[in-house]
Amino acid sequence: EIVMTQSPATLSVSPGERASLSCRASQSIGSNLVWYQHKPGQAPRLLIYGASTRATGIPARFSGSGSGTEFTLAISSLQSEDFAVYYCQQYNNWPRTFGPGTKVDIK
Amino acid sequence: QVQLVQSGAEVKKPGASVRVSCKASGYTFTNYAIHWVRQAPGQGLEWMGWINAGNGNTKYSQKFQGRVAITRDTPASTVYMDLSSLRSEDTALYYCARDQFIAGTRWFDPWGQGTLVTVSS
Repeated sequence: EIVMTQSPATLSVSPGERASLSCRASQSIGSNLVWYQHKPGQAPRLLIYGASTRATGIPARFSGSGSGTEFTLAISSLQSEDFAVYYCQQYNNWPRTFGPGTKVDIK
Repeated sequence: QVQLVQSGAEVKKPGASVRVSCKASGYTFTNYAIHWVRQAPGQGLEWMGWINAGNGNTKYSQKFQGRVAITRDTPASTVYMDLSSLRSEDTALYYCARDQFIAGTRWFDPWGQGTLVTVSS
């Protein structure tokens, strides 16, 4: 099973600042990585697929990069609606596995 | 629009079984697979398994093997997730999500609204 790790566990950021979230895979997954945003009481929302492609309707301030085992989600200028938990997930192997999440909260 | 609507909250006793349903609409049901993902209180997302709605083939996480069964009713465009031998650690929000596959990339979208399953004596 591919183990996904994310860092940091919590990231405290002021509105308007940039946030950088890290995701690592225990073995190479190519670009087979997705990022989701999850808010309490809501279903997860797709942000990025294929490691770097923004999903339809996702603002340009969200960007994904990386391949192999190291990936990054960057949010260029945090808006109030961006405070949430962010998960990476790999689809290279079975079982599909998620990282433990990074909570982005208000500094 | 494409939509997944799940059944309502359940309260079960330890040792019992639960069935959660996921009704799809807005697309050709048999063209897509459906995944089940759960989130225990204070925890992250955990993939449980999936079903190819076209041929009924399934794949499960080893963690749930033997306790989970995912089935589908094609005329009803509905997928079911049965979890047996429930224990308190199975208390969680259970989501279904459609598998989207385009040009070698995959993701889960859309997701159902979630079903809270509480296991308590």
